[in-house]
Amino acid sequence: QSVLTQPPSASGTPGQRVTISCSGSSSNIGSNTVNWYQQLPGTAPKLLIYSNNHRPSGVPDRFSGSKSGTSASLAISGLQSEDEADYYCSAWDDSRNGRWVFGGGTKLTVL
Amino acid sequence: QVQLVQSGAEVKKPGASVKVSCKASGYSFTGYYIHWVRQAPGQGLEWMGWINPNSGGTNYVQEFQGRVTMTRDTSISTAYMELNRLTSDDTAVYYCAREQGSANYYKFDYWGQGTLVTVSS
Repeated sequence: QSVLTQPPSASGTPGQRVTISCSGSSSNIGSNTVNWYQQLPGTAPKLLIYSNNHRPSGVPDRFSGSKSGTSASLAISGLQSEDEADYYCSAWDDSRNGRWVFGGGTKLTVL
Repeated sequence: QVQLVQSGAEVKKPGASVKVSCKASGYSFTGYYIHWVRQAPGQGLEWMGWINPNSGGTNYVQEFQGRVTMTRDTSISTAYMELNRLTSDDTAVYYCAREQGSANYYKFDYWGQGTLVTVSS
């Protein structure tokens, strides 16, 4: 199983606000920044949020991230049908000589 | 624009090796680490390691130590990932990704399109 824990699924209706949680430990989220990736069906992951709460250029401000202690969250406001995708959190983990770790992914369904 | 273009799908028999390439363009190849991440069918993302294209230095996750080799050819801006002693558990899409960051954060800002490796007898 994944080092970071995410809910396997989330859902919402168009226009709604949804949040996806990501739980880790002191060796990863507790001491390093968190990134979020969006993976549309059949495509490569795409950087969505970096350094906890920064959006790359081109990512709508409907997407936001936050971190507190050993947990992080991704919020999507004004949900749109094109947001239906898998979302992964990621952080560097200082244990075992260091490694990047990911959450198991959350499948977001827009109802 | 930055692009990472990977080699095509592969089908291998158990015990064989596979070598996947990742050709970079649109930026200075030696200026950014390249990471390899794989995704088994219907599963999440798994980090395998990185290569520093400038020095050739590598760092592999423990699970793949002794079985994976990451190399690069700076003359053609291409990184490679070779995985040996394949089993059915290695069936996955393999991605290369560029690392960008500073002292305070790092991120995978560009990804290749992925290469499906199928291991089957």
